[in-house]
Amino acid sequence: QSALTQPRSVSGSPGQSVTISCTGTSSDVGGYNYVSWYQEHPGKAPKRIIYDVGKRPSGVPDRFSGFKSGNTASLTISGLQAEDEADYYCYSYAGSYTWVFGGGTKLTVL
Amino acid sequence: EEQLVESGGGLVQPGGSLRLSCAASGFIFNTYWMHWVRQAPGRGPVWVSLITGDGTRTSYADSVKGRFTISRDNAKNTLYLQMNSLTADDTAVYYCARDLQYSSDLWGQGTLVTVSS
Repeated sequence: QSALTQPRSVSGSPGQSVTISCTGTSSDVGGYNYVSWYQEHPGKAPKRIIYDVGKRPSGVPDRFSGFKSGNTASLTISGLQAEDEADYYCYSYAGSYTWVFGGGTKLTVL
Repeated sequence: EEQLVESGGGLVQPGGSLRLSCAASGFIFNTYWMHWVRQAPGRGPVWVSLITGDGTRTSYADSVKGRFTISRDNAKNTLYLQMNSLTADDTAVYYCARDLQYSSDLWGQGTLVTVSS
């Protein structure tokens, strides 16, 4: 049950695009199409923004998109806005009714 | 409105026990799997435990296996987490979360557990 690997930080200017990677193993990210992404603002509970690798819940802007290749999932945020500044976590089913989070990535909007 | 409200957190001494509760409302509780997730100060969230809708299947992270017990009372729309043999490493905000298609779509506001002498 090792945490998935994410970059500790990424940054971008308003209007630009950024991509956050999430690397696991064939036992989690690579083994199932059950990768989700969460946005967390300080003092708030995490908010799901992507599920099933690339699906968006109702109300999440299409600026957020998800993708997976092999053991690595990615979250891309296009048209960066100031309110996108937050921590982002990936989350994957890991088999046998267990799940694992990524270590988190801090997004700074310059 | 769909809602989850945790309670039961607080300060407990190392080696002590605590039971957390999570009251669900606004949805058909017994049709959903439920998770506990915790987040230590300044750290990312960590999955802790799962229970299926009928309560017949449970699972735990290795770090809490044998010490924590997840349960639910579907008649009361309430999820529980019994935590025993607590250590400082268990200090965290504990969230209950609803499972939907192997991800958590609804979260509570969290309850803080502090393990300290």
